[in-house]
Amino acid sequence: QLQLEESGPGLVKPSETLSLTCIVSGDAISSSSYYWDWVRQAPGKGLEWIGTVYYSGTTHYNPSLKTRVTISVDTSQNQFSLKLRSVTAADTAVYYCARLRWYSYGIYYYYMDVWGKGTTVTVPS
Amino acid sequence: QTVVTQEPSFSVSPGGTVTLTCALTSGSVSTTHYPSWYQQTPGQAPRTLIFSTSTRSSGVPDRFSGSILGNKAALTITGAQTDDESIYYCMLYMGGGISVFGGGTKVTVL
Repeated sequence: QLQLEESGPGLVKPSETLSLTCIVSGDAISSSSYYWDWVRQAPGKGLEWIGTVYYSGTTHYNPSLKTRVTISVDTSQNQFSLKLRSVTAADTAVYYCARLRWYSYGIYYYYMDVWGKGTTVTVPS
Repeated sequence: QTVVTQEPSFSVSPGGTVTLTCALTSGSVSTTHYPSWYQQTPGQAPRTLIFSTSTRSSGVPDRFSGSILGNKAALTITGAQTDDESIYYCMLYMGGGISVFGGGTKVTVL
């Protein structure tokens, strides 16, 4: 059974770079049917899509975060990562990694079918 | 910039029916947005309910159904139960690899 687990520092100083990794177990990250996504949720707020990466390294980002975000994949380690630069208190959130099913046997899907439990990142003001 | 909108809140009686919607500030929602719906309770990760407009995810009770109503995606809970009290988010695929979540609808069952 596929499991995703986020890891990284729980506290990041303002102006520094937030770095998180999602470890994928139970399936290969190089499956052609899936992208690998990051989603965050600020305290008391809704879900915000951050971006996505394919096993080939192809990425797509939320336009509102694009200038500060890099998502990368390491197929040898079966994991993918998020870097968010120049953080402020507004980046304080629970960060989730998720698998996005996009295509299988001729059918398109585009939904998140497996989620990590999330990790809390705080940027003090 | 197109925004995905949902009702902020709904209240439903136990056993009742409620329909939540997911709209675009510009244009209509269609099946080509591949609407999906997620349920979230406090302190928990989202749970996938519906994908591709109307397909229930594995293990999701059949009281949850998805559809397109007019120019919006919709999630209907028929025969609401107390443990359906949650926040429900829709997500739309906007093309070009971009996904967008709605703001969420808080459903109260009482």
